[in-house]
Amino acid sequence: AQTVTQSQPEMSVQEAETVTLSCTYDTSESDYYLFWYKQPPSRQMILVIRQEAYKQQNATENRFSVNFQKAAKSFSLKISDSQLGDAAMYFCAYRSAGRKGGATNKLIFGTGTLLAVQP
Amino acid sequence: EPEVTQTPSHQVTQMGQEVILRCVPISNHLYFYWYRQILGQKVEFLVSFYNNEISEKSEIFDDQFSVERPDGSNFTLKIRSTKLEDSAMYFCASSEGLWGRNTEAFFGQGTRLTVV
Repeated sequence: AQTVTQSQPEMSVQEAETVTLSCTYDTSESDYYLFWYKQPPSRQMILVIRQEAYKQQNATENRFSVNFQKAAKSFSLKISDSQLGDAAMYFCAYRSAGRKGGATNKLIFGTGTLLAVQP
Repeated sequence: EPEVTQTPSHQVTQMGQEVILRCVPISNHLYFYWYRQILGQKVEFLVSFYNNEISEKSEIFDDQFSVERPDGSNFTLKIRSTKLEDSAMYFCASSEGLWGRNTEAFFGQGTRLTVV
């Protein structure tokens, strides 16, 4: 079974600085997707960034980028130029690509990292 | 921008009562999901639904739970006889497909269920 581990329950960053949130996962599959979701105080889950495991290039979305290390099963999120609106719970999630019969499209989430942004 | 809509935003129910949580997925999406988040804990998968049947469910999704797409637009989660431990935030999500770019799951804003 796949697992996702986020070892940092809480992180803090100064406004305009850069912060990196860690995520490791365990799987025997070779094809899968990885995601970072943001959950602000409103509790809605918002997709921040996604990475396909077959792509070597790290995904980037504006101020958000990932460091995907497939061999190490590591998937960290870097937030550059942090803003007050980035304060939220961040969840790392895994999804099987399931191309070889029996696709499973459920997301497996980590326990989350609560990010505080200091003005 | 299309979005997943959930109602109500907050539901309080007495233990043992039935409760129905409602969701309107994005209109061209074919795959629907329910997830649960107990306060302070991680988000857990409950069930996925495709082509009018359950495609996968977790061990949490026991006989007390059921899902339905009654009218082609709504997607509901029913809990037959609520327990205190069912208190949680319930998220509905939908995705267009299984492969490639359209695998992204869009989440609703959640329904907070409180069982008293």
